[in-house]
Amino acid sequence: GQQLNQSPQSMFIQEGEDVSMNCTSSSIFNTWLWYKQDPGEGPVLLIALYKAGELTSNGRLTAQFGITRKDSFLNISASIPSDVGIYFCAVLNYGGSQGNLIFGKGTKLSVKP
Amino acid sequence: NAGVMQNPRHLVRRRGQEARLRCSPMKGHSHVYWYRQLPEEGLKFMVYLQKENIIDESGMPKERFSAEFPKEGPSILRIQQVVRGDSAAYFCASSLPGPGLSETQYFGPGTRLLVL
Repeated sequence: GQQLNQSPQSMFIQEGEDVSMNCTSSSIFNTWLWYKQDPGEGPVLLIALYKAGELTSNGRLTAQFGITRKDSFLNISASIPSDVGIYFCAVLNYGGSQGNLIFGKGTKLSVKP
Repeated sequence: NAGVMQNPRHLVRRRGQEARLRCSPMKGHSHVYWYRQLPEEGLKFMVYLQKENIIDESGMPKERFSAEFPKEGPSILRIQQVVRGDSAAYFCASSLPGPGLSETQYFGPGTRLLVL
């Protein structure tokens, strides 16, 4: 089946540092999404990208939709302890009418105060 | 506006029993999706339903698993004769009809199923 390759798998950083993670696919997708999952909870949508080349910000988060439509990255600036969690990229997979989501395996972020 | 609700949050079953997981979508949302998450993995799509219709069940195992979204009441994911390998977190998401921003999927907190 289709897969997303997300890297890195995990990151250990100091509070205040910037973070970058990315996601690639062998297929073209027209919608890329970034979610965050806290322990014991469901994923929460951070940023949605609908246009190739689009750069979108949400507070300290910035995400870009690659021009080839096969990749995306997420940056977090000036990390704080509450940024801890697992970050997932996802794409909307149109098989029929409305699509389901394909998820990457996640990047686990740990922030040291 | 209440988000997606799932219950129970935790469910323990013995092998061979049935598990019933319930999902109430966000108010006004007519599309429901079920995903399964194994430890250290991303979410995997199982089934997509609209009211009284299964639209796409390509991710659902052919046996023992079924899903419904009746005209009234929550969506139900049913697993019959559970096995240890069914232990996972099951997430429900809901959305409005698409395209674009309106089809954004919002997730519930999940049901963690443990099969003993």
